[in-house]
Amino acid sequence: EPEVTQTPSHQVTQMGQEVILRCVPISNHLYFYWYRQILGQKVEFLVSFYNNEISEKSEIFDDQFSVERPDGSNFTLKIRSTKLEDSAMYFCASSKAHSNTGELFFGEGSRLTVL
Amino acid sequence: AQSVAQPEDQVNVAEGNPLTVKCTYSVSGNPYLFWYVQYPNRGLQFLLKYITGDNLVKGSYGFEAEFNKSQTSFHLKKPSALVSDSALYFCAVRDGGGGNKLTFGTGTQLKVEL
Repeated sequence: EPEVTQTPSHQVTQMGQEVILRCVPISNHLYFYWYRQILGQKVEFLVSFYNNEISEKSEIFDDQFSVERPDGSNFTLKIRSTKLEDSAMYFCASSKAHSNTGELFFGEGSRLTVL
Repeated sequence: AQSVAQPEDQVNVAEGNPLTVKCTYSVSGNPYLFWYVQYPNRGLQFLLKYITGDNLVKGSYGFEAEFNKSQTSFHLKKPSALVSDSALYFCAVRDGGGGNKLTFGTGTQLKVEL
């Protein structure tokens, strides 16, 4: 069964460092998303991406964040200068269609710890 | 703005008994509603969705959910719980009027005991 894969599973970084989280969405999916879950809190939408551009982003997704689809398979989230409060589990997701008609398929997450 | 409320942090039920995990929502347009389950150290797995049509939606692993427009609720149910159902359950909503982000609730930890 096709699945969304994420790397790394866990990354520890120093405050102020740049981090890139990588995702390989399901191959025939067209929409890509990043969500995050701070420990013990709810899952929060960060950004959605379609046709090589951001289609929607939340207020969390400020200038420190960027996304890219550098080739036909990877979808990356970059945090330019990490802060302590960026520590969270980051989930990548993909869908065939808009999420109102097609469910999102999530990866297993990348845990980011900022020290 | 769209929002979801899951009023119970934890639900405990004995194996074999029916279970209900509650969810209420708020959207400006027609709601598109979803349930996801998260097992420890795993990603979110899709269980079921309501877009339109029959108010009772059946999903994976014997789960079902009932859409109630007047009560703005979408409670998750299962007639007979299993210990293996123990996990974190998230309700999510999307405003059918536009945008494509899902808004998740805070999650409900389901614990099924022998």
